[in-house]
Amino acid sequence: DADVTQTPRNRITKTGKRIMLECSQTKGHDRMYWYRQDPGLGLRLIYYSFDVKDINKGEISDGYSVSRQAQAKFSLSLESAIPNQTALYFCATSDFPGGATDTQYFGPGTRLTVL
Amino acid sequence: AQKITQTQPGMFVQEKEAVTLDCTYDTSDPSYGLFWYKQPSSGEMIFLIYQGSYDQQNATEGRYSLNFQKARKSANLVISASQLGDSAMYFCAMREGLVNDMRFGAGTRLTVKP
Repeated sequence: DADVTQTPRNRITKTGKRIMLECSQTKGHDRMYWYRQDPGLGLRLIYYSFDVKDINKGEISDGYSVSRQAQAKFSLSLESAIPNQTALYFCATSDFPGGATDTQYFGPGTRLTVL
Repeated sequence: AQKITQTQPGMFVQEKEAVTLDCTYDTSDPSYGLFWYKQPSSGEMIFLIYQGSYDQQNATEGRYSLNFQKARKSANLVISASQLGDSAMYFCAMREGLVNDMRFGAGTRLTVKP
């Protein structure tokens, strides 16, 4: 079984709809991250969480919110989806102590299309 | 300013040959980590190799090695004995010591020819 899972794997929705992407991990890591990937670009950080009580904005947080329900679960919400949020979304985890040596392990990705 | 630069949008290599994928980075932090990830057509991101800024030796993991030239701020990935399954996008990434996110380059698409 995969250590980091994401649901759904694919989603097509309409402009203005609320969407939630979910991430679960069995690696026992404290740190979780949400990234988006656009064609021809690398990954950009949306939000990250170092524990259940710690949520931080990343480079491109506008239009997104997150919830860390438990150490193993981190969800990403689009309150009112718009077409330029069409992208591949990745959840990632990493272990304490983090810092420069912090290797992140990624889920399989969720392909979101907003019409 | 771009933190990570991958100047090769696409690369071709013959099966069983070695290939080098370029990556340069920009940081003033003395503590940082450099990472390479592989993204096959199925879309997942697979961690390949890590190099710390204080590491004295170049990192190696099986057929992957990282040619770390600190003064030139480059961290090139070398894949030896290329296989057809190595065809994928490859991303270089950097994490700075006191920064909480990881910055990715735009990626290089590697195609291995039979």
